[in-house]
Amino acid sequence: QSALTQPASVSGSPGQSVTISCTGTSNDVGAYNYVSWYQYHPGKAPKSMIYDVNNRSPGVSNRFSGSKSGNTASLTISGLQAEDEADYYCSSYTASTTWVFGGGTKLTVL
Amino acid sequence: EVFLVESGGGLGQPGGSLRLSCAASGFTFRSYAVSWVRQSPGKGLEWVSTISGSGDSIYYADSVKGRLTISRDNSKNTVYLQMNSLSADDSALYYCAKGRRAWLSDFDSWGHGTLVTVSS
Repeated sequence: QSALTQPASVSGSPGQSVTISCTGTSNDVGAYNYVSWYQYHPGKAPKSMIYDVNNRSPGVSNRFSGSKSGNTASLTISGLQAEDEADYYCSSYTASTTWVFGGGTKLTVL
Repeated sequence: EVFLVESGGGLGQPGGSLRLSCAASGFTFRSYAVSWVRQSPGKGLEWVSTISGSGDSIYYADSVKGRLTISRDNSKNTVYLQMNSLSADDSALYYCAKGRRAWLSDFDSWGHGTLVTVSS
């Protein structure tokens, strides 16, 4: 099972919006609405941000939103804040009854 | 509040074994799937295995199939990962993650991980 494809890095200034893409195939992202997003600071516990494509996890700011079109899912962060700086990973259920993560995207708030 | 506490990591010998544990609290343990996810040095997150709330359904990543075994004891609110035939590729920070449902679920709460290092 190949990892989902994410950009290695994205950046934005405070107050701006950024979008992180997550591209899979018709056997994972395109087949199921089980796409989720995680915020990760290396060495710490990952935090669930979005589940089932576009549902925010409890306590997550409404500045975070998710969507999907075909084989590509997206995480959009609006009104960027310094605290949003982290690594972000997408994940999807697959037709092989497994889960696959993306390679991760490092978000830098300029 | 959900708590997941991993233990059992440490230095393992190539070809050797380790047993990781994940002790859970703060939720009805038997009602939720639990997974193991790892992060190797310099790499991203990698899903390892998932066990359903009842323990009846189990799936593994191809990279660990036949060597790692997941199990759970719902009377002890604990999930285990038995790691056999260890290789350097198994060196990673291993996270335990609670599912949002009993099966087919993302990972809504995570522990802080236990570090496994495989080296002679």
